[in-house]
Amino acid sequence: SQTIHQWPATLVQPVGSPLSLECTVEGTSNPNLYWYRQAAGRGLQLLFYSVGIGQISSEVPQNLSASRPQDRQFILSSKKLLLSDSGFYLCAWSQSRVYEQYFGPGTRLTVT
Amino acid sequence: SQKIEQNSEALNIQEGKTATLTCNYTNYSPAYLQWYRQDPGRGPVFLLLIRENEKEKRKERLKVTFDTTLKQSLFHITASQPADSATYLCARGGSQGNLIFGKGTKLSVKP
Repeated sequence: SQTIHQWPATLVQPVGSPLSLECTVEGTSNPNLYWYRQAAGRGLQLLFYSVGIGQISSEVPQNLSASRPQDRQFILSSKKLLLSDSGFYLCAWSQSRVYEQYFGPGTRLTVT
Repeated sequence: SQKIEQNSEALNIQEGKTATLTCNYTNYSPAYLQWYRQDPGRGPVFLLLIRENEKEKRKERLKVTFDTTLKQSLFHITASQPADSATYLCARGGSQGNLIFGKGTKLSVKP
């Protein structure tokens, strides 16, 4: 069966510090991978998606970046965090663009 | 713009009743819609997918309908239980295989 992992589960970082969130998927190959952010009181916002190694597409301009160094690994990064980067970050995978998505447990990021 | 909207932020019902949640879309004709459940502090969990040529889909106590004339999907939970309390999200497919989510409806089932 497939599983998706995210870490860390929670993170408190000062403004201006770097960020690295990791997501890995097990039990499938060549998945579509996604990073979403859910701010308090707001819906899920797609940040990045990837259909293969090294292939990253961004939905919104921001100070975040993503990388996919391996088939089942997806990393979200920032060089300098802003207060507005606080939120609940979710990684998801799907087998195909028309199939359901499976979400990880999420990372709660608080920028202070 | 192409919108997907869940107009009710919250819905409170009594245990045993049927909960009905609404998802509307505008300026767009989605090929499919998906419904997810999200519990506090956790990622969404996929429940059902319904395609535009399917009028209704069922899974245990869950039922989803897709009305292309009304541009609406309804999500029903029959014989609701307190354990059904959660936020339910409607989603449509984006142009790149991503999902575009509504803001969700928070369902509270009272015993």
